[in-house]
Amino acid sequence: SQTIHQWPATLVQPVGSPLSLECTVEGTSNPNLYWYRQAAGRGLQLLFYSVGIGQISSEVPQNLSASRPQDRQFILSSKKLLLSDSGFYLCAWSGTAYNEQFFGPGTRLTVL
Amino acid sequence: GQQVMQIPQYQHVQEGEDFTTYCNSSTTLSNIQWYKQRPGGHPVFLIQLVKSGEVKKQKRLTFQFGEAKKNSSLHITATQTTDVGTYFCAGNSGGYQKVTFGTGTKLQVIP
Repeated sequence: SQTIHQWPATLVQPVGSPLSLECTVEGTSNPNLYWYRQAAGRGLQLLFYSVGIGQISSEVPQNLSASRPQDRQFILSSKKLLLSDSGFYLCAWSGTAYNEQFFGPGTRLTVL
Repeated sequence: GQQVMQIPQYQHVQEGEDFTTYCNSSTTLSNIQWYKQRPGGHPVFLIQLVKSGEVKKQKRLTFQFGEAKKNSSLHITATQTTDVGTYFCAGNSGGYQKVTFGTGTKLQVIP
């Protein structure tokens, strides 16, 4: 069966520091991969998605970037965090044309 | 761009009462999905509807896709405290490798 991993579970970072969040999927090949952000008590904002290695589509202009160095690995990065980057970061994968989203456990990021 | 709205934003019900959330898309959808997010957790895929007018049931949950494929509803019969959470719909317009999530409905069940 398929499993999606995200780490760390929680993270507290100072403003201006870099960020790297990693997501890996097991048990499937060539999945579509997604990064979402959810502000406290709010909805899901799609940040990036990828349909293959090295292919990244950006949905929202911001100081974040994403990379997909391997088929089942998706990385979210920032060179300098802003206070507004705080939130719940969720990675998801999809394996069909219907794009059902299967989410990882998420990373709660607090920028101070 | 495509927008997906849900109403109500919040709903408090007594345990045992019914609950319905409605989802409306600005564009015609190829399929619609429903997710549940428990407090402190991540969204979990519940179901997908593809056909116009389709109705699916999962125990006390009934999902419906509108005839015009622009709206959907989720109805819970006789709510229980385990139903607490935020319910999201998500629409797929087809031809895109992504879905658009609705604004969500937060359900609170009072014991």
